[in-house]
Amino acid sequence: SQQGEEDPQALSIQEGENATMNCSYKTSINNLQWYRQNSGRGLVHLILIRSNEREKHSGRLRVTLDTSKKSSSLLITASRAADTASYFCATDPDRGSTLGRLYFGRGTQLTVWP
Amino acid sequence: DGGITQSPKYLFRKEGQNVTLSCEQNLNHDAMYWYRQDPGQGLRLIYYSQIVNDFQKGDIAEGYSVSREKKESFPLTVTSAQKNPTAFYLCASRLDGRENAEAFFGQGTRLTVV
Repeated sequence: SQQGEEDPQALSIQEGENATMNCSYKTSINNLQWYRQNSGRGLVHLILIRSNEREKHSGRLRVTLDTSKKSSSLLITASRAADTASYFCATDPDRGSTLGRLYFGRGTQLTVWP
Repeated sequence: DGGITQSPKYLFRKEGQNVTLSCEQNLNHDAMYWYRQDPGQGLRLIYYSQIVNDFQKGDIAEGYSVSREKKESFPLTVTSAQKNPTAFYLCASRLDGRENAEAFFGQGTRLTVV
């Protein structure tokens, strides 16, 4: 499989704490993306980091990318109960027959307790 | 409002029946995707299309068929050959599958075999 794999599968924290999720992948990529999914809904794009970038910020989100280790992390600072959702990484391959595909991992289920 | 619309939200299929899931976008996107989501499995790619009148199989295409006759529309037919079709189906679109672009998702169709 060329899917990204998120770690941990589930994460439970208190409001105000930081949440860190990791993603590992196998292929060479154009970019890596993070998405959020509320239960029973579609996915919503959070942030895209290109293969030549190492870190990117958006509000309370911080994403890092290490292409040498084929890994990425998503940090959510000062978590809120409304951040409770599943978070997915998606890899965008850069070559060959897989060009144009978007591969998703199994996700991390984040629960933030008030 | 621009966006991507899936219908119906819930669909029930009898054994041996074909059913078609609708996906329409008015974002002027070239690339469209169909994913299947099962609990604990993440998103698995069924079919994708990077341009009108062209589409490619994803990782789990058996028992499914698609068409891309119009840029705005990418319907998915679940045939009777799909032995375990009960799942949550998600359609997505991107501006261009070959460039760095985020995906926009519909709200999903939950298909149940009765």
